[in-house]
Amino acid sequence: DTGVSQNPRHKITKRGQNVTFRCDPISEHNRLYWYRQTLGQGPEFLTYFQNEAQLEKSRLLSDRFSAERPKGSFSTLEIQRTEQGDSAMYLCASSPGETQYFGPGTRLLVL
Amino acid sequence: AQSVTQPDIHITVSEGASLELRCNYSYGATPYLFWYVQSPGQGLQLLLKYFSGDTLVQGIKGFEAEFKRSQSSFNLRKPSVHWSDAAEYFCAVGLYTGTASKLTFGTGTRLQVTL
Repeated sequence: DTGVSQNPRHKITKRGQNVTFRCDPISEHNRLYWYRQTLGQGPEFLTYFQNEAQLEKSRLLSDRFSAERPKGSFSTLEIQRTEQGDSAMYLCASSPGETQYFGPGTRLLVL
Repeated sequence: AQSVTQPDIHITVSEGASLELRCNYSYGATPYLFWYVQSPGQGLQLLLKYFSGDTLVQGIKGFEAEFKRSQSSFNLRKPSVHWSDAAEYFCAVGLYTGTASKLTFGTGTRLQVTL
């Protein structure tokens, strides 16, 4: 049984660079979510897709952040012009209904 | 807006002792409630969930949780803790509407197990 996968697992970048993360959900899960988790905090919701439609975006998702889910399968989260405050764990989850299953996360460090 | 409070930031128990992690929520309707566990540097693993029905729910790894509507609580319990249970535990409330679907998490409780 393949779970949610995320790539890369770790990313170090310099301030001002663009980064892109990928999430592959569990097959046939039509819902996909992105969360951000900073040190010592619980995950915070960023955005939600149902199939290819992005139905909700948090105010945390500034205009430097963009997420896509072409064809309703994998999703990408891009951060443009990274800032040190973007350093966090980015978690992806998928669900067939109300229960969300999380991937291992991508840890981003912005220097 | 819904919110989740986990009053205990850090708990230490001896191996073999019982455990209770507290979770209180604020939500305008009957909530979907979850407990997840996170090992260092890892994603979140679902321990158990409550949607409706029996207020005592069983999960994986010997964990259980009890939903108490009158107290707005969903505390996690385990009768005998193992050293491998050391991790961070998150309580979450689910909001699901026609266009919105998301979890709101508490700040977590870090469990340390002494041998």
